[in-house]
Amino acid sequence: AQRVTQPEKLLSVFKGAPVELKCNYSYSGSPELFWYVQYSRQRLQLLLRHISRESIKGFTADLNKGETSFHLKKPFAQEEDSAMYYCAPRIALIFGKGTTLSVSS
Amino acid sequence: DTAVSQTPKYLVTQMGNDKSIKCEQNLGHDTMYWYKQDSKKFLKIMFSYNNKELIINETVPNRFSPKSPDKAHLNLHINSLELGDSAVYFCASSSSSGGETQYFGPGTRLLVL
Repeated sequence: AQRVTQPEKLLSVFKGAPVELKCNYSYSGSPELFWYVQYSRQRLQLLLRHISRESIKGFTADLNKGETSFHLKKPFAQEEDSAMYYCAPRIALIFGKGTTLSVSS
Repeated sequence: DTAVSQTPKYLVTQMGNDKSIKCEQNLGHDTMYWYKQDSKKFLKIMFSYNNKELIINETVPNRFSPKSPDKAHLNLHINSLELGDSAVYFCASSSSSGGETQYFGPGTRLLVL
């Protein structure tokens, strides 16, 4: 069964601080993972997917098979990064419970 | 042009009523979904349709009935609304049921009084 776990419900950081949103997965087969973001009262949208290995809005995520993790990172948080972040497996029917990122100045 | 649209955006209704939420996508996708996002922001799959056929039906009360008249539409009809149905309902679509990127609608905020 595919499952993702986001252990933090809320992450509060100051502007300019590094950010790491945790996601751990349990997967049968080859994992493919996504991060989705939901800004306040807006629709969910894809932030990035591990297969493309790209950086979006300064965020990156590396798949670590040894630790079964796909943590989302950004070196310097901005206030506009405040949002709800969901980790999801490729068959994105089971989203993680989400982590609210709050960036304050 | 909006890729995935939902109507209405807000829906306030009394307990016991029947209501429908409509969803349309113009992306040419084969697969559409309905999700429920509760007050704790948990996102849970309700239904998934591929080429107008139901492929996923999670543990959802049978008061909820999805209808897909064509590949571009997936509507959600809810009978006998209950207080616990209050949530944000998101429609989404993807190019296949194999787990490609999902594109979400703006959500419908349902409040049952």
